[in-house]
This record gives sequence, C-alpha cells and structure tokens, in this order.
Amino acid sequence: SQQGEEDPQALSIQEGENATMNCSYKTSINNLQWYRQNSGRGLVHLILIRSNEREKHSGRLRVTLDTSKKSSSLLITASRAADTASYFCATDAKKSSGDKLTFGTGTRLAVRP
Amino acid sequence: ETGVTQSPTHLIKTRGQQVTLRCSSQSGHNTVSWYQQALGQGPQFIFQYYREEENGRGNFPPRFSGLQFPNYSSELNVNALELDDSALYLCASSLVGAPGELFFGEGSRLTVL
Repeated sequence: SQQGEEDPQALSIQEGENATMNCSYKTSINNLQWYRQNSGRGLVHLILIRSNEREKHSGRLRVTLDTSKKSSSLLITASRAADTASYFCATDAKKSSGDKLTFGTGTRLAVRP
Repeated sequence: ETGVTQSPTHLIKTRGQQVTLRCSSQSGHNTVSWYQQALGQGPQFIFQYYREEENGRGNFPPRFSGLQFPNYSSELNVNALELDDSALYLCASSLVGAPGELFFGEGSRLTVL
C-alpha cells in the first residue's frame, strides 16, 4: 500500500517559475527522500532529509519536513523544461531498516518552454 | 547512470505463464530490492535480499519469489501470472547501513495478456 500522497497530482508551470510539491505520510519515519522519474523509466534519488532535520537544500532543490504534521514539501526553483518528470516522496518506517521504502503516489510536473 | 542494469526491458506474457526478471547491482552494493510500479502509481516494495537471504517482504503473494547470487546479481520470479501483474518492475541496489538512498535500474515492463 502507498504510505501517503503527493499533492498536487499534476502541475503545469512555465519555465523559470518555481514548482512546489507536497507529500503526506502516515507513520513515524527515519528519513524522507524525494525521487524523480522520467516517463516510466528508473527513479533517480534527489535528496534525503532525516527526521531530525527541518530543511535541506541541494542546488535548485529545497526540501522541508514537518514531522508533527507528517508532511514534506519539495521546491524546485527556476524550473527548466528538463525538470519535466514525475516526483515521488519515499519514507522508511522507524521500525524498519533504512532502505525499505514506501512511496507516495507522485506528482507529475510539466514545465512549458 | 546508476550502475544498476535490468533485463529484459520489455516483455509480454500470457496469463498463467511464469516470468524471470534479472538485475545486476551497482558494484559494491550488497543489498537488492524489487519494486512493482503499476501505471500511474508509485512503486510498491516487493522484497529485499541481503547476503543471498530474503530480508523483508511487502504485501505480495508467495508466487513472487527472488534470488540473490554471490556476485550480488538478482532475479525476480513470478509464477501463475495474472493480468494485474502488468507493471514496471524496478530493481534497486543499496549498501546496508547506508542512510537509505536506493540506486534504481531502468526497469522491466511486463505486460500480461
């Protein structure tokens, strides 16, 4: 079963704009990760945030984590057409080891040139 | 490029048949996980292998089975295929004890008719 959901399910923006995606999850976690998937291909790891962190940056990516609300957000700044993809959050439950992930339902991002 | 390779990339089977999917892990990674991704959904955890033993299983029936070999390559076997088994099957390798990042292959797309 899916751990949670991403919101929105789909997002269409103009190149240069920022894109924000949200993720909600259900159980206590060790870490939360964001992955990107191009059109039915493999997933690529973007960023990992630990449960004791509140914000993390990597290049044009900014991730926040609110464990009290069991939610996270991914912000992509100054988007490019090449950012067009599906984005998934993934969590590992506190009771499990760190690499059995439960994925959300994904946000499909389209960046118009 | 994650260093994880899967084969075949696409295949078509009929209901009741059996299928074997293969995965070669990234060099140095001792853990392999398999995920099933139905169209429009996030990946769902099938099982994980560590040192050739199953190390956790998701909510999948016993007709889904796996193997991990001493060189850390892996197989996913599915018996008595059903129409709902049509999906993208993703293999991911990782290093036990690392903070949880998974390295995914490009997947094997299975269609069951």
